[in-house]
Amino acid sequence: EAEVAQSPRYKITEKSQAVAFWCDPISGHATLYWYRQILGQGPELLVQFQDESVVDDSQLPKDRFSAERLKGVDSTLKIQPAELGDSAMYLCASSPSREMAYEQYFGPGTRLTVT
Amino acid sequence: AQKVTQAQTEISVVEKEDVTLDCVYETRDTTYYLFWYKQPPSGELVFLIRRNSFDEQNEISGRYSWNFQKSTSSFNFTITASQVVDSAVYFCALSEWGSQGNLIFGKGTKLSVKP
Repeated sequence: EAEVAQSPRYKITEKSQAVAFWCDPISGHATLYWYRQILGQGPELLVQFQDESVVDDSQLPKDRFSAERLKGVDSTLKIQPAELGDSAMYLCASSPSREMAYEQYFGPGTRLTVT
Repeated sequence: AQKVTQAQTEISVVEKEDVTLDCVYETRDTTYYLFWYKQPPSGELVFLIRRNSFDEQNEISGRYSWNFQKSTSSFNFTITASQVVDSAVYFCALSEWGSQGNLIFGKGTKLSVKP
């Protein structure tokens, strides 16, 4: 069964350092989502891609976060510099299209700890 | 504005008890989807069910059942004869058709099933 892959699974970094997460969606899925889940909360959408284009980044803290999906396949989410408040689970999801957003498949997540 | 409320922060039951997790949602759209996800301690989000706004039929899957009532904007989840393996955080989520994919999650209910 096809799955969304994410790496690393766990990351510990010091504040002010740069950190990057990688996501490989299910093959053929045009739409890719990055969510952030703070401990004790539900996931919140950070950015949504349709192929290589960003279609929603309204909740992305653009002063320190960036995301790209250069070839419309895998994606990288970067934080520079990391802050203590960035400690969270970062989840990637994909769906066949924006119209089929109700069929999102989630990856295992990257758990980030900033010290 | 769209919103999902899970009023129960934590629930603790003894194995074999039945338990109901509540979910109340707010939306202005007439077309929307409702979801339940399970998040075990390992962190991945496990999809349980999706319901569209035109299908109010209750659903049963093994020990799990869902009660969707548009009149009260609720989508409650019942586990019958709970087991220790059911211990997890459960999230209810909403996606409006017009939002093109933005899943709005509740804050989750942590279920602890004790032997």
